Amino acid sequence: QSALTQPASVSGSPGQSITISCTGASSDVGAYNYFSWYQQHPGQAPKLMIYDVSDRPSGVSNRFSGSRSGNTASLTISGLQAEDEADYYCSSYTSSSTRVFGGGTKLTVL
Amino acid sequence: QVQLVESGGGLVKPGGSLRLSCGASGFSLSNHYMSWIRQAPGKGLEWVSHISSSGSTIYYAVSVKGRFTISRDNAKNSLYLQMNSLRVEDTAVYYCAREGGSGYDYDVWGQGTLVTVSS
Repeated sequence: QSALTQPASVSGSPGQSITISCTGASSDVGAYNYFSWYQQHPGQAPKLMIYDVSDRPSGVSNRFSGSRSGNTASLTISGLQAEDEADYYCSSYTSSSTRVFGGGTKLTVL
Repeated sequence: QVQLVESGGGLVKPGGSLRLSCGASGFSLSNHYMSWIRQAPGKGLEWVSHISSSGSTIYYAVSVKGRFTISRDNAKNSLYLQMNSLRVEDTAVYYCAREGGSGYDYDVWGQGTLVTVSS
């Protein structure tokens, strides 16, 4: 199972919106609603930000939103804040009943 | 407080074995699917293995299949990962993670335990 494809890095200024893409295949991203996004700050464990493509867990800011079109899912962060600077990972269930992560995207807040 | 705590990491020689443990508190492990996920130094997340709530259904990543064994003891509220025939490329922080409501996302993570495979 190959890792899902994410851009290595994205950047934005405070207050702006950014979007991180995650591309897979019809056997994973495009096949199921079991798709999630995680935020990881240096030295910390990942944190669930979006699940089931577009749902937010309790306590996660509504500045974070998720969507999907075909085999590509996206995470949008609006009103960028300094604390959003982190690594972001996507994850999908697959047709083999396994799970797969994206390679990760480093978000820099300028 | 809902929490997962991993233990058992350390330095091991190539070909050696190690058993990781993950203790749960604040919730009953028996109600949740669980997974092990690892992260090599400076690299991204890699899913390793999944186990159903009863332990009857198990899946492994191709990279560890035949070498690693996931198991659980719901009575002890604990999850395990037996790692045999370890390779240098298995060096990573290993996280245990609870699969959430939908069963396919990870809503609770441990702090991780570092496994270093080196001669």
